[in-house]
Amino acid sequence: AQKVTQAQTEISVVEKEDVTLDCVYETRDTTYYLFWYKQPPSGELVFLIRRNSFDEQNEISGRYSWNFQKSTSSFNFTITASQVVDSAVYFCALRDMDSNYQLIWGAGTKLIIKP
Amino acid sequence: DSGVTQTPKHLITATGQRVTLRCSPRSGDLSVYWYQQSLDQGLQFLIQYYNGEERAKGNILERFSAQQFPDLHSELNLSSLELGDSALYFCASSVTSGSGGTDTQYFGPGTRLTVL
Repeated sequence: AQKVTQAQTEISVVEKEDVTLDCVYETRDTTYYLFWYKQPPSGELVFLIRRNSFDEQNEISGRYSWNFQKSTSSFNFTITASQVVDSAVYFCALRDMDSNYQLIWGAGTKLIIKP
Repeated sequence: DSGVTQTPKHLITATGQRVTLRCSPRSGDLSVYWYQQSLDQGLQFLIQYYNGEERAKGNILERFSAQQFPDLHSELNLSSLELGDSALYFCASSVTSGSGGTDTQYFGPGTRLTVL
């Protein structure tokens, strides 16, 4: 069965440090989609990135980067030079045919950036 | 701002009552999804509507129901409320039915329901 594991429940770093949030997924499908969402303290869920299983290129967007490795079933998220505004809960999610294309969510990682 | 709107933002009610949560999808989106986020259960998918029809069902209780109207807005009805129904309820929308998997869901700001 599909599963998304975010083993880090909470991470606390000092501003300007780099931080990596881990996401490990399980699926039997060869075609699937991975997502990251951010939930700041205000509560809304903000879409960050979607990656399909055929595209293993790493993605960089400003201070954010994503490392997708099919060999280890991981889709990790790195924030470079973290800022206090990055404090949030970050969710990784999987979507595949087995789940009827519904999102399977990880438990989330709470990231605390201290000034 | 995702373009998805939800009302009300906060709702406080008593056990046994019934409430209606409302969602307007992004312009052009045909699918609406409802999610419940509670502290102990995390994010739970409840139900999806696509162009007015129920498309997929998740862990939605029988006391809960939803519909999508011709103008594509959706309502989630929660009845016989219990303390355990206190949660953040999200609506999300996407362009298509999502059957191809490529759709991205954009979330509204949520409705925080407190049942006393």
